[in-house]
Amino acid sequence: RKEVEQDPGPFNVPEGATVAFNCTYSNSASQSFFWYRQDCRKEPKLLMSVYSSGNEDGRFTAQLNRASQYISLLIRDSKLSDSATYLCVVNFNFNKFYFGSGTKLNVKP
Amino acid sequence: EAQVTQNPRYLITVTGKKLTVTCSQNMNHEYMSWYRQDPGLGLRQIYYSMNVEVTDKGDVPEGYKVSRKEKRNFPLILESPSPNQTSLYFCASSRVREFSTSGSYNEQFFGPGTRLTVL
Repeated sequence: RKEVEQDPGPFNVPEGATVAFNCTYSNSASQSFFWYRQDCRKEPKLLMSVYSSGNEDGRFTAQLNRASQYISLLIRDSKLSDSATYLCVVNFNFNKFYFGSGTKLNVKP
Repeated sequence: EAQVTQNPRYLITVTGKKLTVTCSQNMNHEYMSWYRQDPGLGLRQIYYSMNVEVTDKGDVPEGYKVSRKEKRNFPLILESPSPNQTSLYFCASSRVREFSTSGSYNEQFFGPGTRLTVL
């Protein structure tokens, strides 16, 4: 069983749409959670850390549900530039990181 | 400019020929990691290092070695590469960040990647 599971997509949405991704993790002792963005096999870049209480950064909102062991990312008012693969990342024991295989988003004009 | 650099960016080699991929960071980070990325599998951690001379295995360490003699450098060594090590490799360095409420987390910065093909 994979440590982190994501729907690979692709999610094809029009500009301006709201889109949501979920991710589930298997280790209940996981300590911190992140969403990274990766463009076309380039390096992943941190989009957001996910706080227990949920957090928002502009058009992006991340939520954590520890009881159900899932993390979500909501993107409002999608832009063409949001097209990318979104990676869910779980950190265990501070040094060990587990990545989901990513969810691909295509925002179309 | 704060960055993580990797060299080479692209490498085609043959089975059994030892190679080293270098990784260097200029952010004075204590933590560094190596990952490989394969289609459908996501990034998988190969090795990580918590500080100079302190390294440990990740999830897929077989066939790889690392060393951490200086804080800024964390080379990945393939003593005898095989075709199943054909992959995209990323180095990362990380710093500890504090949550605004409580606790801390380990924020990673990635190098640009090394695309390795073993024939």
